[in-house]
Amino acid sequence: DQQVKQNSPSLSVQEGRISILNCDYTNSMFDYFLWYKKYPAEGPTFLISISSIKDKNEDGRFTVFLNKSAKHLSLHIVPSQPGDSAVYFCAADSGYALNFGKGTSLLVTP
Amino acid sequence: DGGITQSPKYLFRKEGQNVTLSCEQNLNHDAMYWYRQDPGQGLRLIYYSQIVNDFQKGDIAEGYSVSREKKESFPLTVTSAQKNPTAFYLCASSLSSGNTIYFGEGSWLTVV
Repeated sequence: DQQVKQNSPSLSVQEGRISILNCDYTNSMFDYFLWYKKYPAEGPTFLISISSIKDKNEDGRFTVFLNKSAKHLSLHIVPSQPGDSAVYFCAADSGYALNFGKGTSLLVTP
Repeated sequence: DGGITQSPKYLFRKEGQNVTLSCEQNLNHDAMYWYRQDPGQGLRLIYYSQIVNDFQKGDIAEGYSVSREKKESFPLTVTSAQKNPTAFYLCASSLSSGNTIYFGEGSWLTVV
């Protein structure tokens, strides 16, 4: 059963606007969450992470928000750029490996 | 350059044949992983190893085997028992379990 869910398979945003990618999880024992960016035929690259002791973490244009009571996290990209077009995976640490969502394909249009 | 190297990048296999995908890392990481990506399925864990000479099955281990004889190497064998082996295979490593994991560039396996 999928423990990490990304319910939006795709998202299209105009350049300069904000992109918001959402992720839900079911296991309340998860305490470390990560976002990865992936281009076709390449390995995912680590973007940003957040520990459950925080509710927000920023790194440049990328901010991750965590709502533990709702078991929900989101990745905000602002301003969005065409080079941000990729598939974004949300992941949760199970203690021995990462559980991944199915990904959201982001398209940033000029 | 430090990193994770997977080879080959593209591999074709006839049905009924075993094939081994190589994964080497020079990051001095203890933990290594194999994931598989299928369209619309995200990344699914095949096997993981938290330390040399030890490995554990992941969510979809059937039809696969691994070894971890050296810290830097974690080869994956796709056996003829794997019913649907055509996929993109990703090797990853982390300093230890519970840390951020880093991926190689992936290997495409096509069964013909």
